[in-house]
Amino acid sequence: DTAVSQTPKYLVTQMGNDKSIKCEQNLGHDTMYWYKQDSKKFLKIMFSYNNKELIINETVPNRFSPKSPDKAHLNLHINSLELGDSAVYFCASSQSDLEGDTQYFGPGTRLTVL
Amino acid sequence: QQQVKQSPQSLIVQKGGISIINCAYENTAFDYFPWYQQFPGKGPALLIAIRPDVSEKKEGRFTISFNKSAKQFSLHIMDSQPGDSATYFCAASHLGGSEKLVFGKGTKLTVNP
Repeated sequence: DTAVSQTPKYLVTQMGNDKSIKCEQNLGHDTMYWYKQDSKKFLKIMFSYNNKELIINETVPNRFSPKSPDKAHLNLHINSLELGDSAVYFCASSQSDLEGDTQYFGPGTRLTVL
Repeated sequence: QQQVKQSPQSLIVQKGGISIINCAYENTAFDYFPWYQQFPGKGPALLIAIRPDVSEKKEGRFTISFNKSAKQFSLHIMDSQPGDSATYFCAASHLGGSEKLVFGKGTKLTVNP
């Protein structure tokens, strides 16, 4: 069973288009995240939701809008795509306890903007 | 401001050797220090983690060493194998706080056969 799944795995689109990436977790976790990994492999958090409530909103262009219909899903919608948006986007989920805060990552969505 | 500094950026080790990756943090509120392993085309996965109440944690060939006073921690991979070739990320966070998990910039490890 896939713990954190993302669709699509690859996304190639033209500048100016609007696209969405979907994420689902079946771990029963309360918290979900979106990360952006650039060509240098740097992982940068974009958003975090806890029980459908936005708790972290890093300095991200407002063209990026997360939506959490329920605590098992966190989608990412991107408007007016730009060349610099090309990256791999990872969804993750976690459940904090006294021992730690293991984040479980999805397989990633490679976005290429032409 | 980068809160977790990781070095080296890349590392080449011979099979059977010891791989050592170092990280330093700035925020003294951090109390959880995980290492993530990422293979090409995959998402990062938790490898091993440590809390600051211990100075060392070992799981198989992987060991975290933690120096609270120096605000440094490191990953040691003993008897490195070609299958260990991956990108390794250190990270830090404050459990129960509003601090998010902050990642280092990653170390690409190549283990030659």
